[in-house]
Amino acid sequence: ETGVTQTPRHLVMGMTNKKSLKCEQHLGHNAMYWYKQSAKKPLELMFVYSLEERVENNSVPSRFSPECPNSSHLFLHLHTLQPEDSALYLCASSQDGDSRTQYFGPGTRLLVL
Amino acid sequence: GQNIDQPTEMTATEGAIVQINCTYQTSGFNGLFWYQQHAGEAPTFLSYNVLDGLEEKGRFSSFLSRSKGYSYLLLKELQMKDSASYLCAVLDSNYQLIWGAGTKLIIKP
Repeated sequence: ETGVTQTPRHLVMGMTNKKSLKCEQHLGHNAMYWYKQSAKKPLELMFVYSLEERVENNSVPSRFSPECPNSSHLFLHLHTLQPEDSALYLCASSQDGDSRTQYFGPGTRLLVL
Repeated sequence: GQNIDQPTEMTATEGAIVQINCTYQTSGFNGLFWYQQHAGEAPTFLSYNVLDGLEEKGRFSSFLSRSKGYSYLLLKELQMKDSASYLCAVLDSNYQLIWGAGTKLIIKP
């Protein structure tokens, strides 16, 4: 595996379900990100982890709970979501430095019924 | 507040040239990125500009003017596979990426 991988690629869940999204990066980077992408809107940064510590939480509702057990893995735990949470959830990684170019996974398309 | 502006949609013809503009107002500046995103896929990195001027990479070029808060992405010899959304993003003084909403580029034969 190379680059950034995400599973599952598609997820349909009810509002009372609990599910988790998984991201793995094979680039040796030290920072990882969760983004939400809704149609015709800018990418919304949800969480940033640097060296496995959360450094940013952009006022995301508590029904989204991130976990970063090591520098290669990132999870997003979901519970009691709302239909408006339906979106593409993207994971990215980068290496600290001048440009900090972010490399993205393919995303998880989430539908909340 | 911080703001990135780019056109919502553009249409161009196969084989032609198209320029996608991006203007920004951010708290500080540590570089500007262009990403390409095909429908249903991940954004992929195209270019990074931190100094004024034009950077060329094959059929794609990116220009930056920091004094004007302006960048453009130039695509030459357009191909059907260039149909995608193009995202402009600025790295601010806190090294946070501020994203535009993206420009959907439609290529017609």
